[in-house]
Amino acid sequence: GNSVTQMEGPVTLSEEAFLTINCTYTATGYPSLFWYVQYPGEGLQLLLKATKADDKGSNKGFEATYRKETTSFHLEKGSVQVSDSAVYFCALSRIDNFNKFYFGSGTKLNVKP
Amino acid sequence: DAGVTQSPTHLIKTRGQQVTLRCSPKSGHDTVSWYQQALGQGPQFIFQYYEEEERQRGNFPDRFSGHQFPNYSSELNVNALLLGDSALYLCASSRRGAGVTYNEQFFGPGTRLTVL
Repeated sequence: GNSVTQMEGPVTLSEEAFLTINCTYTATGYPSLFWYVQYPGEGLQLLLKATKADDKGSNKGFEATYRKETTSFHLEKGSVQVSDSAVYFCALSRIDNFNKFYFGSGTKLNVKP
Repeated sequence: DAGVTQSPTHLIKTRGQQVTLRCSPKSGHDTVSWYQQALGQGPQFIFQYYEEEERQRGNFPDRFSGHQFPNYSSELNVNALLLGDSALYLCASSRRGAGVTYNEQFFGPGTRLTVL
C-alpha cells in the first residue's frame, strides 16, 4: 500500500539554525512527493514538490530531494526564521490513482528568536 | 483569481445531527477531493469527485456522502454525527484530463466542525 512516515515533533530550533525534517514513504508505482505547510488556523499550502526520482524541489529556502533508493524525501533549510514556525506535512500521490493524497502525521516546527 | 473556498468556516453541531459543508474549486479545476484532519493528525482522504461522480473513496462509512455540481463545486454531507467526527474538513481541487503531467492539489482553508 501507500503510506508516509515523518519524524515526530515538535522540533524546536533557534533562529538561523539548520532544519531537517525526515520523511520516508512506501508506495506502489511511481509517486510524486510533496511538502505542505500549515500555519495556525489555516489550510494547507504547497511548499515544494518532486515528481520523479532524483528531482529536487525547492521554495523559500526549503529543499527536498526525491531519493528512490532510500524511499525518502527529507525537508531541509539552511537558516530558519521565526516565521517558519508551522506544521509541515509530507505527502505522496500517484497520478494513476486518481490523484489521491497520502499524508504523514505532520511535524510541528517552533523557531525561537 | 480566487483559490479554493469553503463555507462555513466554523460549525457546531450535536450528536445525531446532519451537516453539509461546501467547497468551490480553484478556477480551471474540475476535480474536488475531501479530507478529514483530526486534531494533531495529517489529513485523511474521504472521497473525490470528478464529472459529478464519486471516483474514489477512502475508509469512511456511508454516513459520509457528497455531491458535485455542474459548475464543479462540491458538498460534503455527514449524517448521524458522532463526537469523533469533530475535525477540520479540507477541500482540495485539481485538474484532470489530457495533458496533466503532475497532480498538484490546492487546498482550501477548511471548515472546523465541532460535534458536542
